[in-house]
Amino acid sequence: QMQLQESGPGLVKPSETLTLTCSVSGFSITSGYYWGWIRQSPGKGLEWIGSIFHSGRTYYNASLKSRVSISVDTSKNHFSLNLTSVTAADTASYYCARHNIRRWFDPWGQGTPVTVSS
Amino acid sequence: EIVMTQSPATLSVSPGERATLSCRANQSVSSNLAWYQQEPGQAPRLLIYDASTRATGIPARFSGSGSGTEFTLSISSLQSEDFKVYYCQQYNTWPLTFGGGSRVEI
Repeated sequence: QMQLQESGPGLVKPSETLTLTCSVSGFSITSGYYWGWIRQSPGKGLEWIGSIFHSGRTYYNASLKSRVSISVDTSKNHFSLNLTSVTAADTASYYCARHNIRRWFDPWGQGTPVTVSS
Repeated sequence: EIVMTQSPATLSVSPGERATLSCRANQSVSSNLAWYQQEPGQAPRLLIYDASTRATGIPARFSGSGSGTEFTLSISSLQSEDFKVYYCQQYNTWPLTFGGGSRVEI
């Protein structure tokens, strides 16, 4: 059964870089799908951050593009999110998810909460 | 970017009743719309894609309709496990965008 699992620090200081990893099990990350990051601020809705294909082709939300990079490591079957210069506004639960070329998300990881605070 | 607006923010219904949720786009997304269900503290779950196609394992009481800018998610007879939050998402155009959600409460 395919699973996605996010990992990373639960607490990050303002101005630092947030790095999260999504480990994929039960499915090859090179099998023709895209891999995305979505976040949800406390009590708020969902915001797509960006996506990557296994070839390395990336797509970013313009609202975050200057601070975001997503990379993939096919040897480890995982992909990662880097978000630089974080502020309190980046406090959220971060989800990774798979999508096909049509771009609906299924399945999702369980999510990981990240707090930005000194 | 395409802005997705959901209504109502909260819908109060009784078990066994029908629930109808609305999702509106500020420009046409054709039928490139998905619906998700989310329980607090859990990841969203795909319910519907292509506006009206149920995802694998989704009960027939969930149905989606619409195209262009107006979409509806209907739950024909609410079960206790359906009282959650529902989001729509357009995938017609980058960036992918979600609605603000509709909570279905008892």
